[in-house]
Amino acid sequence: DAGVTQSPTHLIKTRGQQVTLRCSPKSGHDTVSWYQQALGQGPQFIFQYYEEEERQRGNFPDRFSGHQFPNYSSELNVNALLLGDSALYLCASSPTSADTQYFGPGTRLTVL
Amino acid sequence: DAKTTQPPSMDCAEGRAANLPCNHSTISGNEYVYWYRQIHSQGPQYIIHGLKNNETNEMASLIITEDRKSSTLILPHATLRDTAVYYCIVRSQGAQKLVFGQGTRLTINP
Repeated sequence: DAGVTQSPTHLIKTRGQQVTLRCSPKSGHDTVSWYQQALGQGPQFIFQYYEEEERQRGNFPDRFSGHQFPNYSSELNVNALLLGDSALYLCASSPTSADTQYFGPGTRLTVL
Repeated sequence: DAKTTQPPSMDCAEGRAANLPCNHSTISGNEYVYWYRQIHSQGPQYIIHGLKNNETNEMASLIITEDRKSSTLILPHATLRDTAVYYCIVRSQGAQKLVFGQGTRLTINP
């Protein structure tokens, strides 16, 4: 049984560009949460998707948006990239919105 | 969600039990204690969680004090692969997000 998968593994972008990160949840999980982890910090909650809708959002600007597809996979989009968006982006899936979350390996985004 | 306090770093000898403390003095009755760990540059790994009873699984044991204001994660026979940052998180029942602090950097020494 595959765990949570994320793509790509690493990504380099320049300021002002847009990026899309992808996540496939564990089999049987229908909820996906996204987190941002800056270097040396703990992960920070961005938002959660369930039934193809954003259910809760953390303190992130509208430049951060997402989508969930009918097969429960999800995308995180970041527009107008800033240097401060450089971080490890983590996806976590759970059987329901309030259940234990299982994390993927993350996508390392570098903004130059 | 209640705030947690953990020591920034700890050391443990390989083969010994590693006991990681966590204070959560403002925890309320419907809040669970979760533990995750993160090995360098990987995604956090779920370890264990509990409400008020002690819990044990194949990875670790979780001891929660009777007043629920603190807890201890126990790795019974630490190995070098247990070197990681360990996060103690308090999460309300039904809450959708996890709130991570700085965690404890545990180093297992040979």
